[in-house]
Amino acid sequence: GAGVSQTPSNKVTEKGKYVELRCDPISGHTALYWYRQSLGQGPEFLIYFQGTGAADDSGLPNDRFFAVRPEGSVSTLKIQRTERGDSAVYLCASSLQATPDTQYFGPGTRLTVL
Amino acid sequence: RKEVEQDPGPFNVPEGATVAFNCTYSNSASQSFFWYRQDCRKEPKLLMSVYSSGNEDGRFTAQLNRASQYISLLIRDSKLSDSATYLCVVNKGGGFKTIFGAGTRLFVKA
Repeated sequence: GAGVSQTPSNKVTEKGKYVELRCDPISGHTALYWYRQSLGQGPEFLIYFQGTGAADDSGLPNDRFFAVRPEGSVSTLKIQRTERGDSAVYLCASSLQATPDTQYFGPGTRLTVL
Repeated sequence: RKEVEQDPGPFNVPEGATVAFNCTYSNSASQSFFWYRQDCRKEPKLLMSVYSSGNEDGRFTAQLNRASQYISLLIRDSKLSDSATYLCVVNKGGGFKTIFGAGTRLFVKA
């Protein structure tokens, strides 16, 4: 079956712009996670959804970051007033249920803020 | 102190060698533990879960030491295809936040 998909695969934007990153989880997976990964680092937790609600958003670095999952499937990570430090690979993962469970990752969106 | 710490390596080993990685975690209430593998410019993929009793999957053995708060991964008879970054993953106790270590890089050479 189809895995986790993320669009776009690459996004280049200018400092101060708004971006949206999309994640399409595996069908039937109720849990969805967003991470960001900088070069040489492991994925850094941002937010976790169980169904439509954000069960844990403690990893969002500041109020410029926001994520939604209105119908419990597709999720969008929104970043306002982007900064150069936001440049990273943004990874989405889904799992059938809440951890502990295998998280299946998408290929990521590489965001570059100029 | 980071919540999950790993030796970044790199570990350079010849084919057929045995190599071991350790990972320490700071939250004693952590409940679930995993090793993920990440190839260059690819997404992480689950290698194995780590159980209190230890578990083995072919050439890979994972151990958990709750008293000392560390997790280990042993790879026997290394293959060229084992070259990757190995990420230690801990699910923080009481919640859903999953913490990844920075990863240990392994290079297996012919």
